[in-house]
Amino acid sequence: ETGVTQTPRHLVMGMTNKKSLKCEQHLGHNAMYWYKQSAKKPLELMFVYNFKEQTENNSVPSRFSPECPNSSHLFLHLHTLQPEDSALYLCASSQAWTTSGTEAFFGQGTRLTVV
Amino acid sequence: TQLLEQSPQFLSIQEGENLTVYCNSSSVFSSLQWYRQEPGEGPVLLVTVVTGGEVKKLKRLTFQFGDARKDSSLHITAAQPGDTGLYLCGRGGVNDYKLSFGAGTTVTVRA
Repeated sequence: ETGVTQTPRHLVMGMTNKKSLKCEQHLGHNAMYWYKQSAKKPLELMFVYNFKEQTENNSVPSRFSPECPNSSHLFLHLHTLQPEDSALYLCASSQAWTTSGTEAFFGQGTRLTVV
Repeated sequence: TQLLEQSPQFLSIQEGENLTVYCNSSSVFSSLQWYRQEPGEGPVLLVTVVTGGEVKKLKRLTFQFGDARKDSSLHITAAQPGDTGLYLCGRGGVNDYKLSFGAGTTVTVRA
């Protein structure tokens, strides 16, 4: 238990569907992240929120839409996805930064399959 | 973009053997983190190294930060099947909360 909870754990959706991924952290952190993990590829940073403000959008297609209503919750809204978007989507949180750098705490991920 | 290169990509060993995995960059790190990820789970933080030349131990795992803070290694002594997983190195600078990761080393320890 890392203090970061993601739901759902598994999601199968059609290319015309709209769905949302949810992330909640109970660590009092003020930065939250979405990562995409595909087979045989490094973790890809998608979005960063710091104190509820989006501070990074790593050239992510608009079919992925993040939302951060408060420092404890992060959503990823999905619509008209493509099969190549199938991956493990990981949420993480951290203190924005400390003198020892940034340590991330990850959720268990949502395994997304687009059919 | 400051890339983190990890090697080897895959490592398969017998229980009881030792192993070392590496994380390298052409840039200086202010700090570096090591994570382990088991199949179907998110990465879990193992350790943070900050000072050049630093050595940290976590049971059978030994983490070393290079003197120039451009590289790091993870050594596992007497590996066990429970050590199986994807080992990731990651960095986030003191003034940079964007975390970036290497591609990871997949370690398989056979019983």
